[in-house]
Order: sequence, then C-alpha cells, then structure tokens
Amino acid sequence: NAGVTQTPKFQVLKTGQSMTLQCAQDMNHEYMSWYRQDPGMGLRLIHYSVGAGITDQGEVPNGYNVSRSTTEDFPLRLLSAAPSQTSVYFCASSISGVNSPLHFGNGTRLTVT
Amino acid sequence: TQLLEQSPQFLSIQEGENLTVYCNSSSVFSSLQWYRQEPGEGPVLLVTVVTGGEVKKLKRLTFQFGDARKDSSLHITAAQPGDTGLYLCAGSLYNNNDMRFGAGTRLTVKP
Repeated sequence: NAGVTQTPKFQVLKTGQSMTLQCAQDMNHEYMSWYRQDPGMGLRLIHYSVGAGITDQGEVPNGYNVSRSTTEDFPLRLLSAAPSQTSVYFCASSISGVNSPLHFGNGTRLTVT
Repeated sequence: TQLLEQSPQFLSIQEGENLTVYCNSSSVFSSLQWYRQEPGEGPVLLVTVVTGGEVKKLKRLTFQFGDARKDSSLHITAAQPGDTGLYLCAGSLYNNNDMRFGAGTRLTVKP
C-alpha cells in the first residue's frame, strides 16, 4: 500500500499566487487532516475532515481552504500565498478519528517569496 | 501558548545514558500519543495511552500517562544512536475531533 501520498514534495511560490497541495490515501480512512510544521512550534492543525463532505477548522485555518469530495482525497488550497505560509505541510489520516493512530505523508516544503 | 508543552526542547546525550522527556498541559485529554519524526519524513506513531496512570513499554521505551490525564512522559533506557530524532506528543481533548501536537524534543544520541 502507498499509504498517504503528498504532492508536490517541494514548491516555490511568489506572494499572491495560488496553488493546491494534494493529499491522497489508499487505506479507506475516514479521518484526514492537514498540519503545518514550523521550527520551534511543532505541528499546528490547519483543517480536518471526519468523512467525505465534512470539513472543519483547526488551530490555524486562515488563508487555507479544503474540501473532501471523496474518501481518498483531501486537497489544501492556498488562495493568495503569503511569506508567512512558508512552511512544511503534512497531511495525515486515521481510520476513525483522533483516537486512532495518525498516518502521515512525507510532507510538502513550501517557500513563498 | 501551546496546548501541550514539551521539555526539554533539545537533548544531547551519549550512547548508553538514560533520559526522560515530558509533555505537560493544563487541559485534560481523552488520549495522548507519542510520535517520532526523522528528517524529511512525517511523524510515525510510537504509542497511544488512554487510561490515567497507564504505563506502556516498547522495548527500551517506557511511556506514562498522568493520573489526571494532563501529562505524559517518555523514558528511554540505554539510549542508542538509532533513537536520534524529534519526539512529539499529541493529544485530543474530550468531545473534540482535532489532534494537537507539542513542539517536540529533539534528541541526539552520540556514539
């Protein structure tokens, strides 16, 4: 099994550009989430989804949109990139929510200039 | 202010030494998880603790969940260079579907 797949691995954007970070899982997990990781701040939750058609905000949702049209996919959209969004982004999934183990992708390193 | 405070932030020790890292909060959690992360990769789950006072052992690693379900510790016995990595604790609050992480303890074990 591929597990959780994130694309791209690296991305450079100019301020104001938009892009979508892709996340797909092949484990039929109901729960999916997006985190950003910054030095000294650990992983901060951006958005999460408990199932197809359902999304909710996490700790730092501003500047990001998500949708969950299928169980497998959970894309993260940056509508107008800002330098403060420079970070490493991780997608994670679990079989049934936060009391189940989270399976992480290998991350997308985003730089906004 | 982070929901989960981890200490120490950095730890550098010699092979064979013992160490303990801590994860503390003023909030009560339904469960706590410990993850290890290596450079360029996502975190990987080590253990989940669910019951207050619970102790779990994974070879040389011992995990404890506080009686009040607000804190946890990770003790490593006879550390090895392969234990090097970033150790993260994560917790979910009751009636909540989001998992919050601490900032992590970066452990380096020198041969």
